[in-house]
Amino acid sequence: DAEITQSPRHKITETGRQVTLACHQTWNHNNMFWYRQDLGHGLRLIHYSYGVHDTNKGEVSDGYSVSRSNTEDLPLTLESAASSQTSVYFCASSESEGSGTDTQYFGPGTRLTVL
Amino acid sequence: GQNIDQPTEMTATEGAIVQINCTYQTSGFNGLFWYQQHAGEAPTFLSYNVLDGLEEKGRFSSFLSRSKGYSYLLLKELQMKDSASYLCAVRDGDYKLSFGAGTTVTVRA
Repeated sequence: DAEITQSPRHKITETGRQVTLACHQTWNHNNMFWYRQDLGHGLRLIHYSYGVHDTNKGEVSDGYSVSRSNTEDLPLTLESAASSQTSVYFCASSESEGSGTDTQYFGPGTRLTVL
Repeated sequence: GQNIDQPTEMTATEGAIVQINCTYQTSGFNGLFWYQQHAGEAPTFLSYNVLDGLEEKGRFSSFLSRSKGYSYLLLKELQMKDSASYLCAVRDGDYKLSFGAGTTVTVRA
């Protein structure tokens, strides 16, 4: 069955370290998204991609970067982790139908703690 | 910018009906989604509206009024497993979504 996976599921790191969170989907979806979820804020978009070599900034992109070298993967990198980046991170993907629901399917999430 | 509002919490009794309202002010509109999220889990898709009116899917229904910037999710015959957060999200143009903060629904026996 097609799926979307994230790794690691839990990560503890220290302030200033570089961290990369992996996202892999087997639906062959063109669109991929990274969100963070914090109490009281809901899901906020960090970065997104509509195809290979395409990346775009979301509303909370400072301190994060992504790259899209193939259809299946969109890794999220925190260049220098800060305590404010402690959060739950969700990856999602969707098809580019141009009509219909274009439903986003979410991965299981990564809980990141920055000490 | 995007402004999507929904109540923070709601409580209801098993077997009852609950209506979760969502109002939005966005720069564009190309569909409204409802997602369910159980604690510690990923959001899962519930419903989609792009035209005015009611969409029914079993015990769940979703309504949209584009002129009023308003939607609601109706949960009927509540079950304990319906205790979760419900997220309203608006697609404003291309494929990305803007989410409200979510409504936590607690179902009591």
